[in-house]
Parts: sequence; structure tokens; C-alpha cells
Amino acid sequence: AQSVTQLGSHVSVSEGALVLLRCNYSSSVPPYLFWYVQYPNQGLQLLLKYTTGATLVKGINGFEAEFKKSETSFHLTKPSAHMSDAAEYFCAVHQGGKLIFGQGTELSVKP
Amino acid sequence: DVKVTQSSRYLVKRTGEKVFLECVQDMDHENMFWYRQDPGLGLRLIYFSYDVKMKEKGDIPEGYSVSREKKERFSLILESASTNQTSMYLCASSPGGFETNYGYTFGSGTRLTVV
Repeated sequence: AQSVTQLGSHVSVSEGALVLLRCNYSSSVPPYLFWYVQYPNQGLQLLLKYTTGATLVKGINGFEAEFKKSETSFHLTKPSAHMSDAAEYFCAVHQGGKLIFGQGTELSVKP
Repeated sequence: DVKVTQSSRYLVKRTGEKVFLECVQDMDHENMFWYRQDPGLGLRLIYFSYDVKMKEKGDIPEGYSVSREKKERFSLILESASTNQTSMYLCASSPGGFETNYGYTFGSGTRLTVV
């Protein structure tokens, strides 16, 4: 069975700094990978997804992620953090019609 | 705008009550899912459905059941609520077939407290 590991349950950055949220997956076949964001008291919103093709995927709000098969990673980045990026972020892998989620990473942005 | 609507944002129920959580989607999606979300555990799949009247157990089905009588509606039932079922419950839907690889649409969640 596939699994997803997010390194760091909480990440804190300063406004304007680089955001890096780490995600590793276990899969014996090419995966479909997703990042979702959850703002306080809301459901999950799709940030970006990798299915096939280009390994660098651009999403909403300036986020992007790179699929690295050799490292089984799909890390999420944003060059410059904004206060509005404070939220919880979930990495997920698609398996058999279901999404398997990581534990989540809470991002805090300091002024 | 496409939507997944969960009928309640907050619920407080007593131990032993039968609880119904309702979810409706307007996207004509084949697939619907119920997850619960707990701090440090991420989202865990309770039940899912690929079609009307079909249901499949997820990773943590104990203490729950589901009903899907119509394509647009997927109900989660707590037969006898217990305090360890206090959680955030999230409903989601996705297209069927290959398009299911393109991700889910989530509802806003129902925060259930069992006292």
C-alpha cells in the first residue's frame, strides 16, 4: 500500500522568506500526487497536482512542487511567504481511486 | 461554482445518540468519500462510494455506516456516538474513471463534539 510522509508537523517562516514543505511517498508505480491547503475552519482546497508530463508543477497562490522520482519526493515551495499563506498543508497520493493523505504540516508566517 | 455542501458546520451530540452527517454535491460526480481529521493524524478515510447504493470500507470504518440512495447525496451515520468520535468530518467527491486522478472537491467540514 502506498503511504505519504510529511516531514515536520509545524514549519515557521518569516514573511518574505522561502517556504519549503517536504513530502515523500512510497510507491512502486508512477504516482499521482497532490498538495491541498486548509485554512482555519474550512475544507481542503487543491493547490496543485502531478499526474503526468512536466515534473515541475505550478499551482495557485505562487506555489509549485517538483516530482522527483529518484528521491520519491514531491516537496512544495514558494519563493516568498505571505501572511495569508498561514494554513495547514496536506500532501496526498492517489491509490485505487482513493487519496491517501500525509499527516499535514502547519505553516506559520511571522511578520 | 461547483460545490460539496455539508449540512452542519458544528454539531454537539450526546453519547449513545444516533448521528447523521449529510453531504450533497452538485457536480454529478460518481465518487464520494468521508474522512475524519484529527490533529497529528491527517485525514483518515472512513467510507467511500463509487456509485449509488455502493459502499466500500476505508481505513477506519468501525462505529460508522453510510448510505447513498441518490448520486448527489452521501450520508455518514454514527450508530451510537461515542466521545472518541469527536472530530472534524470532511466529505469529498470526485469524477469517476480516469478523471478521478484529478483530485477531489471537499466540503467545508462538520466539527462534531460528542459529550
